[in-house]
Amino acid sequence: QSVLTQPPSASGTPGQRVTISCSGSSSNIGSNTVNWYQQLPGMAPKLLIYRNNQRPSGVPDRFSGSKSGTSASLAIIGLQSEDEADYYCAAWDDRLNGYVFGTGTKVTVL
Amino acid sequence: EVQLVESGGVVVQPGGSLRLSCAASGFTFDDYAMHWVRQAPGKGLEWVSLVNWDGSNTYYADSVKGRFTISRDNSKNSLYLQTNSLSAEDTALYYCAKDSNSLGYYGMDVWGQGTTVTVSS
Repeated sequence: QSVLTQPPSASGTPGQRVTISCSGSSSNIGSNTVNWYQQLPGMAPKLLIYRNNQRPSGVPDRFSGSKSGTSASLAIIGLQSEDEADYYCAAWDDRLNGYVFGTGTKVTVL
Repeated sequence: EVQLVESGGVVVQPGGSLRLSCAASGFTFDDYAMHWVRQAPGKGLEWVSLVNWDGSNTYYADSVKGRFTISRDNSKNSLYLQTNSLSAEDTALYYCAKDSNSLGYYGMDVWGQGTTVTVSS
């Protein structure tokens, strides 16, 4: 089972701010960098944020990431209809000696 | 253009074996670690395995340890996953993914489209 905990769902109207939390522990988020992935319906995951707060080329600046202690957050500032997707946080876990994903959050645009 | 193309997914009986392949192009394959990640129908992402740039270090999720073997052939720009003793719980879409680093601790930055493994009698 996932060792990173996310809320199962989040929603907002177009233009609103949505924040997704990702709670981990000292062996994963607390000691390693966090990535965020976006999975549109029927598609493969796509890297959205890497190394806690860096955006790959082509990712809109309305997406931002942060990390504090053993938790991380993804913010979507100015929600758009095309942001309706599943979002996953992820990090290396030193205790498990493997990579771990969050439980996933489904974002709905109302 | 960086591209990862998985193949080998089929319907297999419980207890059976399967070898998944991933053909990489558009980047220097032996500069990067590679992962396998799976997603059961209607479920979230589950990391399966990692191999570092030269194949000298491999890592596995507890759920597949002892049954799955990851390997790579840098001369063929290819990644593999040998899966044995398959059960219904292994039914999933299997993704090949490139790490952003040679060792594999920084996570996936490019993903393939996946290949479907169905374990059923």
